[in-house]
Amino acid sequence: GIQVEQSPPDLILQEGANSTLRCNFSDSVNNLQWFHQNPWGQLINLFYIPSGTKQNGRLSATTVATERYSLLYISSSQTTDSGVYFCAVVTQGGSEKLVFGKGTKLTVNP
Amino acid sequence: EAQVTQNPRYLITVTGKKLTVTCSQNMNHEYMSWYRQDPGLGLRQIYYSMNVEVTDKGDVPEGYKVSRKEKRNFPLILESPSPNQTSLYFCASSFAGIKQYFGPGTRLTVL
Repeated sequence: GIQVEQSPPDLILQEGANSTLRCNFSDSVNNLQWFHQNPWGQLINLFYIPSGTKQNGRLSATTVATERYSLLYISSSQTTDSGVYFCAVVTQGGSEKLVFGKGTKLTVNP
Repeated sequence: EAQVTQNPRYLITVTGKKLTVTCSQNMNHEYMSWYRQDPGLGLRQIYYSMNVEVTDKGDVPEGYKVSRKEKRNFPLILESPSPNQTSLYFCASSFAGIKQYFGPGTRLTVL
């Protein structure tokens, strides 16, 4: 099955810093989503981005489908950005199973 | 308010005692799915449903059953729970599998 690898596994930032999270996947996809799981366990959908670039406030994401990777940018980080960020994909031409990466744990210190 | 609800939020039970975790969404989504989250293993899909009466296995379906008799509900059934099913469970829904919305989670402990 498809492999989804996220890097780095852990990231510690000072408030105000910028960061880039990466998601590599091993096969062609027709669905890619980024999620944030806050420290209370709630999962929030950040982006549906199978290709191209999207922005939402301080967050933006870019997926280069032909090279099988996606990037999530967080600018001017805040303590509320802390949590785990997951990338999840669905492979093309197959079932509709959504496969998650192991996540990047982000800690933003005041 | 658009939302996915799960009940119960917390459950402690014993091995072999059948249980059902309910999931309901009010967004008229066709697609619904169940995941379990375990430390070190991340989120893994148990079952998903593309529409009423259509269900399919995810990556870890063993020991679970689901049904989709109506669009808004997608219950997860554990006929004979075992300790290795102790986990955090999430239900999610979406329109055609795009941009999934997650419920608040159900923390299950099987003794």
